[in-house]
Amino acid sequence: QKEVEQNSGPLSVPEGAIASLNCTYSDRGSQSFFWYRQYSGKSPELIMFIYSNGDKEDGRFTAQLNKASQYVSLLIRDSQPSDSATYLCAVKGRGGADGLTFGKGTHLIIQP
Amino acid sequence: EAGVAQSPRYKIIEKRQSVAFWCNPISGHATLYWYQQILGQGPKLLIQFQNNGVVDDSQLPKDRFSAERLKGVDSTLKIQPAKLEDSAVYLCASSSGQGGETQYFGPGTRLLVL
Repeated sequence: QKEVEQNSGPLSVPEGAIASLNCTYSDRGSQSFFWYRQYSGKSPELIMFIYSNGDKEDGRFTAQLNKASQYVSLLIRDSQPSDSATYLCAVKGRGGADGLTFGKGTHLIIQP
Repeated sequence: EAGVAQSPRYKIIEKRQSVAFWCNPISGHATLYWYQQILGQGPKLLIQFQNNGVVDDSQLPKDRFSAERLKGVDSTLKIQPAKLEDSAVYLCASSSGQGGETQYFGPGTRLLVL
């Protein structure tokens, strides 16, 4: 049974600071890793994906992957109130079936 | 480009009744997924279709849930009979299925079972 663990929060961060969201996964065979943002009452929207160890940057967002530690993180720089949402970590395994296994999500609050 | 469409957006039924949800994926997307998201949880994959074939339905409660994707485009998810614990948001997602990793989610159908 694949598992993805996240701290449910809430994580409270002042506006303009760096928000750091963490995720661990149980299946060493996992190939791809995704961060989705979900506003209350809305569906998940993709922020970033990462396949290789190291960092991947996209604007204010940086995803970090460490396969040896089975650890994925998302950094949000210059946090804005509009970043307040639930952030879902998702993992895709290997093989033809590529449905995602999601964590429970971390509720992020950016304080103005 | 139109996104993933789902209907209805909301549904309230009593336990033991049946209900059906419809999904129309992004045009040209070969892969379609149904997820169940219970309040406070992340989405859980119920079933994955590649064109009109089932790739993974290992987490689908087959005694009450069924899904089909006729002609490899639209899909229907049915629950019969519904239980209280089926109250959730049912999300449909699609991807290109040609090495494209991104799954695009529809707005979801919010189901309340009384």
